[in-house]
Amino acid sequence: DVVMSQSPLSLPVTLGQPASISCRSSQSLVHSDGNTYLNWFQQRPGQSPRRLIYKVSNRESGVPDRFSGSGSGTDFTLKISRVEAEDVGVYYCLQGTHSWTFGQGTKVDIK
Amino acid sequence: EVQLVESGGGLVQPGGSLRLSCAASGLTISDHWMDWVRQAPGRGLEWVARSKNKPASYTTEYAASVKGRFTISRDDSKNSLWLQMNSLNTEDSAVYYCATDISGIYSSYWGRGTLVTVSS
Repeated sequence: DVVMSQSPLSLPVTLGQPASISCRSSQSLVHSDGNTYLNWFQQRPGQSPRRLIYKVSNRESGVPDRFSGSGSGTDFTLKISRVEAEDVGVYYCLQGTHSWTFGQGTKVDIK
Repeated sequence: EVQLVESGGGLVQPGGSLRLSCAASGLTISDHWMDWVRQAPGRGLEWVARSKNKPASYTTEYAASVKGRFTISRDDSKNSLWLQMNSLNTEDSAVYYCATDISGIYSSYWGRGTLVTVSS
């Protein structure tokens, strides 16, 4: 089974400053079809998860461009260019190449 | 507006059964792969089961933790998805979310979830 490891697990951030979350998989996420099925989700307090990024770096419709995804193979990153108050919540990576596995989650809050 | 509305959660004793429903509106589930994802209280997300659509032969897949106990099904004519859960144990206690295309190229939609509590 593929294990997804996120770091850090807790990320206090300053409003207006950048933030970065890492997600590493126990094996390559390159699918036999050539795609890499790595997604990022945001879960605000008391809300359902919302997908931000699919296939490593593609933003969902309506997601602000301050969110960006990058990476390849086994190492992936979600970056927020300038953190806003509404970005508080837990962020999860999800791999969909070998069945489906979420990371443990990274809690983002304001310093 | 797309809506996924889960129902059927509640309190059940260990060893018992429960059937969750997901009613979709604003989208046609026949176009989508559908998932159940759960979240135990204060914990992270866990993928539970997937129902692929007709072009993918209606294939179903399950997490190892529920395989043999849970059954996902769909009725495209009713725009609905179900999760039959048998032999429940305390570790199955969670909010269960219905979602579309959690790892696809189409927009992913999620419901608000339904709470399942397994306790004696």
